[in-house]
Amino acid sequence: GENVEQHPSTLSVQEGDSAVIKCTYSDSASNYFPWYKQELGKRPQLIIDIRSNVGEKKDQRIAVTLNKTAKHFSLHITETQPEDSAVYFCAAGVTGGGNKLTFGTGTQLKVEL
Amino acid sequence: DGGITQSPKYLFRKEGQNVTLSCEQNLNHDAMYWYRQDPGQGLRLIYYSQIVNDFQKGDIAEGYSVSREKKESFPLTVTSAQKNPTAFYLCASRPTGADNQPQHFGDGTRLSIL
Repeated sequence: GENVEQHPSTLSVQEGDSAVIKCTYSDSASNYFPWYKQELGKRPQLIIDIRSNVGEKKDQRIAVTLNKTAKHFSLHITETQPEDSAVYFCAAGVTGGGNKLTFGTGTQLKVEL
Repeated sequence: DGGITQSPKYLFRKEGQNVTLSCEQNLNHDAMYWYRQDPGQGLRLIYYSQIVNDFQKGDIAEGYSVSREKKESFPLTVTSAQKNPTAFYLCASRPTGADNQPQHFGDGTRLSIL
């Protein structure tokens, strides 16, 4: 089955700096890669996703890049703000066939003033 | 997502007891999922269902059971066979027939052992 590794487990940045979270996956059949943000005690919320036919996707301060050859994808947050502090999860899956997702173990991002 | 409702928010289980977690959605989604979240381990798939009266095991199905008698409902039973049930349980749903649609989550149920 699919295995997703996520690094780092914790990340502390100064407000206004950029943050990068990296994930690798093992199954070359995976073609869908969402990122979720989870605040303490709350539900995970989708912030951005990318499909394997695209190398990069951007939405305001958030961008995701995908390298299919190396089987890794990354989340980039620019101009970080205190409200970006949360746990971020990457996931990988195959569209169709149940759309099961395998999640990474999460990155605790702390944006310091 | 206001369309996915999980209850109760907190649940306590005694030794040898089965407990059932509720998940209801009014989004007309075909597919529903149950995940378990433990500290430092991310989300792990327990069971999923793509259509009424059909469901499949996920990665950690042992000690759990589900049913899907109605499109709107996908209850999860944590049986006494699950020896370490303390966790945060998340339900998700998505429409099928539209592979571009992501999974959206409910607010979760936190289960603890008495």
